[in-house]
Amino acid sequence: GAVVSQHPSWVICKSGTSVKIECRSLDFQATTMFWYRQFPKQSLMLMATSNEGSKATYEQGVEKDKFLINHASLTLSTLTVTSAHPEDSSFYICSARSGSENSPLHFGNGTRLTVT
Amino acid sequence: GQNIDQPTEMTATEGAIVQINCTYQTSGFNGLFWYQQHAGEAPTFLSYNVLDGLEEKGRFSSFLSRSKGYSYLLLKELQMKDSASYLCAVSDSNYQLIWGAGTKLIIKP
Repeated sequence: GAVVSQHPSWVICKSGTSVKIECRSLDFQATTMFWYRQFPKQSLMLMATSNEGSKATYEQGVEKDKFLINHASLTLSTLTVTSAHPEDSSFYICSARSGSENSPLHFGNGTRLTVT
Repeated sequence: GQNIDQPTEMTATEGAIVQINCTYQTSGFNGLFWYQQHAGEAPTFLSYNVLDGLEEKGRFSSFLSRSKGYSYLLLKELQMKDSASYLCAVSDSNYQLIWGAGTKLIIKP
């Protein structure tokens, strides 16, 4: 089945530093990947849609200069949290579809970010 | 606006049956998904309904009524490992997924 790999699984960083999260589709090509954020006991919140070879589409309220997305190949998208603050601490999850727009999303294992 | 409603929390007994409901109001409809999410983990796909009726997959079944904007996930022969959050998500006219807040299911022995 379609596998999405996300790295790292967890990261602790100091306030003001930047953190990069990688998302790879291992056995399929993903022209589009989706980045979600989830706070405790809340549902998934779509942050942005990552498009291979073009700029990402950000949801309202998500700062594109703070959450940098790069989708340089059909199997890799990266999310960089720049100048991280404690309020950025959250569970970040990437996902992709291996088929049509009606096919289910396959999720990476998520990255638990803690900013101290 | 677009809205997905599902109960916040449910409790059931091991070996029993539980039904988790989901109602939705969205701009268009291109299918409804159910996902399971264990604490601290990413969601995993359970089922997809785009036509009215019941889809059965082992111990899990999912039902859809498009006219009522309603779906349910039915879990049979509950096991302790079924303790998780269950997320309902609807694909709207632009194939954007609208997510419910999730239902936390607690299974008791």
